[in-house]
Amino acid sequence: DIQMTQSPSFLSASVGDRVNITCRASQGIRNDLGWYQQKPGQAPKRLIYGASRLQSGVPSRFSGTGSGTQFTLTITSLQPEDFASYYCLQHNDYPWTFGQGTKVEIK
Amino acid sequence: QVHLVQSAHEVRNPGASVKVSCKASGYTFTHYGVSWVRQAPGQGLEWMGWISTVNGDTHYAEKFQDRVSMTTDTSTSTVYIEVKTLKSDDTAIYYCARNWDGIDYWGQGTLVTVSS
Repeated sequence: DIQMTQSPSFLSASVGDRVNITCRASQGIRNDLGWYQQKPGQAPKRLIYGASRLQSGVPSRFSGTGSGTQFTLTITSLQPEDFASYYCLQHNDYPWTFGQGTKVEIK
Repeated sequence: QVHLVQSAHEVRNPGASVKVSCKASGYTFTHYGVSWVRQAPGQGLEWMGWISTVNGDTHYAEKFQDRVSMTTDTSTSTVYIEVKTLKSDDTAIYYCARNWDGIDYWGQGTLVTVSS
């Protein structure tokens, strides 16, 4: 199975901060990676697909970079509604696997 | 507008089975596969497998191979997951989700509680 190592697990930040979350794949997955946001009591919502393509309707302060084994989700100028958990998902090979998640909390 | 609407929450005793439904609307049902993902309380997301809505072909994660069955009914645009021989650690929210370049849209989730 492809292991997705996500870091950090927890992040404390202030409104307006720039935030980076990374996922490292245990083997190359090309750009077969998505990023998801999940708020308490809600289903996940996709932010980024194809490692760097912004899902329709998602604010442009979210961006994704990377290919192969190293990927980054960046939130420029964190907003109050961005405090949530974030997950990466690889769909290059079965079984599809998620990162362990990053909880972004208010400092 | 894409909608995936799941069945209501369920409570089962250990050893029992549960079947959760997911009804799709707002798109051509057979153009996209459907995955199932679960989330135990306070934990992360776990992909369980997916089903082709064209021909019913399935691919299950190995840990679920023996206890999970996914089916599809194209006449009602509905996908089902059945989990057998439930254990307490199967307590989780079960999500269906549409496959497109990974997973794009998600159902609202169905809480399955396994408790005696």
